[in-house]
Parts: sequence; structure tokens; C-alpha cells
Amino acid sequence: EVQLVESGGGLVQSGGSLRLSCAASGFTFSTYWMHWVRQAPGKGLAWVSRINSDGSGTGYADSVKGRFTISRDNAKNTLYLQMNSLRAEDTAVYYCARAGEGVAAYSFDIWGQGTMVPVSS
Amino acid sequence: QSVLTQPSSVSGALGQRVTISCTGSSSNIGAGFDVHWYQQLPGTAPKLLISGKTNRPSGVPDRFSGSKSGTSASLAITGLQAEDEADYYCQSYDSSLSAWVFGGGTELTVL
Repeated sequence: EVQLVESGGGLVQSGGSLRLSCAASGFTFSTYWMHWVRQAPGKGLAWVSRINSDGSGTGYADSVKGRFTISRDNAKNTLYLQMNSLRAEDTAVYYCARAGEGVAAYSFDIWGQGTMVPVSS
Repeated sequence: QSVLTQPSSVSGALGQRVTISCTGSSSNIGAGFDVHWYQQLPGTAPKLLISGKTNRPSGVPDRFSGSKSGTSASLAITGLQAEDEADYYCQSYDSSLSAWVFGGGTELTVL
């Protein structure tokens, strides 16, 4: 079964740091781009970051650029998001998502269950 | 303010047809980037519903269909069922922002 499982969420103080992990299984992780998408409480979805299949290329939303770092370990089938200088507005459920293939390459075809990150001010 | 614009809510009776619009601009939908649709049931993660105009992942009924024209796209749901009550999001890629972008989401109520 294709699956993504996030972990690492939890309450953190404003200005603090946290590292999220996303364990992938059921597919060849090393051949897919991966993303982080977040959803603030009661709000819509917002793209956070992406990384290409071998980890050599990354991209970030303006709201997190310079504070968040995406990375991956293809030997461990795991995606990471290092979050520094956290702010109250970073409070959200963080989802990892797999990029689609072919004509659907710009979509997110598999999602994890999400991990909650509350940032207290 | 989302880059893609959706109505905040729509409603329809059981068995009826509803459409959800998604309006973008010349740097995303109008630039030729596909629009993808997601369904998010209460308390769950989003699920890919439609990728591109008509590609439905395995298990998604053909009651769901997508279309695109110019800088806009639409999701149509026919034969509304109670289990279709959910939030629906459109998504594309924006070349000016170099970012993946979402609509603000539409809450569907089945009457």
C-alpha cells in the first residue's frame, strides 16, 4: 500500500525550531518529487516547499523562505522539514504529499495524514 | 487572499448537479498549467479527485469531472450524494511566483 506517515509535530514556542519527518512506503520514493503543504486551523491549503527526486533542487513559499529547509534521505525513504524561527502564523497541520506523474506532475497524488504544529506566542 | 478564486460555499439537492468554479490568471491557469481538484472530508487529509481536465484516480466515481477554459476551470459533480459533503480545492502552478497555488476552498452542502 502506498503510504506517507508524518511525525514530529507538537507545541513549540514562537522563535523555536522543530523538524518534521515523513516516512514513505509502498512506492519507489527516490524517483518522486515531494512536497510539504500546510493548513492553518479552519483555513485552506497552502503549499510550503518542494524537493526534487535526488534532493538537488528545492523551492519554498515566500512565507517560509529563509526559515524552513526541506531535505530527504532516499536510503531511509524519508522526507524532512526543518522549521526554524517559528511564528504564530506557522500554526497549522503539515502534510507531506507526493508529486504526481506525467501530465499530472504538478499535482499532489498521495497525501499523509498530517501532523499538527501549534506555535505559542 | 488566494491566488486562485473559488466560491466559499455551494449547495445542491440529493441527485442534482453542482459546479464549483476556479478563477486564476495568465501566470497560472491561463499559462496552460493544469488545474487539479482535491476533496477534503471533515477531519481528514485532502485526496486527489481530478488531475488535469479529466484524469480520475482509481476509485473516484465518474460523477466527478473537470473542465478548463482560458483562465478558469470548473469541477462538476452530478448525481449528488450525501457523502459528497466536503471541502473542495482547486490547485495549479504559478510561473510568476514559481509556486504551487491553491484556491481558498469551497464547502459543498448536500441538501
